[in-house]
Amino acid sequence: AQSVAQPEDQVNVAEGNPLTVKCTYSVSGNPYLFWYVQYPNRGLQFLLKYITGDNLVKGSYGFEAEFNKSQTSFHLKKPSALVSDSALYFCAVRDMWADSWGKFQFGAGTQVVVTP
Amino acid sequence: EAGVTQFPSHSVIEKGQTVTLRCDPISGHDNLYWYRRVMGKEIKFLLHFVKESKQDESGMPNNRFLAERTGGTYSTLKVQPAELEDSGVYFCASSQDYTGELFFGEGSRLTVL
Repeated sequence: AQSVAQPEDQVNVAEGNPLTVKCTYSVSGNPYLFWYVQYPNRGLQFLLKYITGDNLVKGSYGFEAEFNKSQTSFHLKKPSALVSDSALYFCAVRDMWADSWGKFQFGAGTQVVVTP
Repeated sequence: EAGVTQFPSHSVIEKGQTVTLRCDPISGHDNLYWYRRVMGKEIKFLLHFVKESKQDESGMPNNRFLAERTGGTYSTLKVQPAELEDSGVYFCASSQDYTGELFFGEGSRLTVL
């Protein structure tokens, strides 16, 4: 079984400050981890993924995430947040042994609010 | 290039009625997925098509839900009869390969009264 937890329903940050969105996961095998973002009235957009290799993954719009196997975490980070980063962020995991490649387990989402 | 399109964007029906949601994937994408987000909770997997075949339908909640993808192009998801707990946002996504990046539509919001 696979599961994802995003412990914060909402994260508030001032523009220019660092942004962190937390995600922890549980899978039976090695995880494939993803972050997606949903802007208002839009579909989910891919930000970045971790499959294997370097634990620090860089993605779109200046975001990055660090895979931590011992803590089973994949937190999303951005050094300096922009007002335009305000959106709903979803963490997703797929067990490498899942029957279907697209059978992701998503978290409940974290609303990010960046204030000017 | 056109993205994944879903129709309708919002549907309001009464309990016991039928609703059909449609998804047009990105042209050339063999993989098509349906997901659902209920009451602001997790986005949950419903099923996966590879071309016209159902690869995995383990997430379909019950036999009131029927998904089809005739000809391997667009897909429909029919709910018949609809129940109150079916309310939510239904997302469709497509992908060309297995790199992990799914392309999502804007979703179809279903409200069952």
